[in-house]
Amino acid sequence: EAGVTQSPTHLIKTRGQQATLRCSPISGHTSVYWYQQALGLGLQFLLWYDEGEERNRGNFPPRFSGRQFPNYSSELNVNALELEDSALYLCASSLDRVQPQHFGDGTRLSIL
Amino acid sequence: GENVEQHPSTLSVQEGDSAVIKCTYSDSASNYFPWYKQELGKRPQLIIDIRSNVGEKKDQRIAVTLNKTAKHFSLHITETQPEDSAVYFCAASPDFTGGGNKLTFGTGTQLKVEL
Repeated sequence: EAGVTQSPTHLIKTRGQQATLRCSPISGHTSVYWYQQALGLGLQFLLWYDEGEERNRGNFPPRFSGRQFPNYSSELNVNALELEDSALYLCASSLDRVQPQHFGDGTRLSIL
Repeated sequence: GENVEQHPSTLSVQEGDSAVIKCTYSDSASNYFPWYKQELGKRPQLIIDIRSNVGEKKDQRIAVTLNKTAKHFSLHITETQPEDSAVYFCAASPDFTGGGNKLTFGTGTQLKVEL
């Protein structure tokens, strides 16, 4: 069984640009979660999608947004990129809203 | 919101010794407590989890204990091996019926198992 897959592996942007990160959940999983892992700050919850709807949101500004598609894959969009957005962005999925969450390898976003 | 504190931040043990990592949480609505292991450059991997209706859970050399009254839970690794060296994260979450389902993570413990 394939795990959670994320693309791209690395993404380099400059300040003010926009970034799009993609996630495919484990087959059969309907919930997708996004976390930010910045250096020295641990994992911070960003967003939770289930059945195409945003169900919960962490303490991040509105320029962090996303969506979930009918096939349960998800996109995270970050607008007006700032230097402090540099981090590893991890996607996780779970079966039908029920824990546990299983993580992908992440997308390393670097802002120059 | 939920706040999870994790101690120690670094832990060095000799191979074969036991390692204990402790976490406390603040939100009494939390009822699910997973532990993740993250090796350098790799994804966090779930190693064990516990729900609030259970006080202890064991899986081979790994065990987790939960004290709901005191709001703390601990990870115990026995007979440590070099491959146990990694960063370990605890987390807490209310279930989706509580409007949550997000994981609040501790700040991580860097475990080093020395030969």
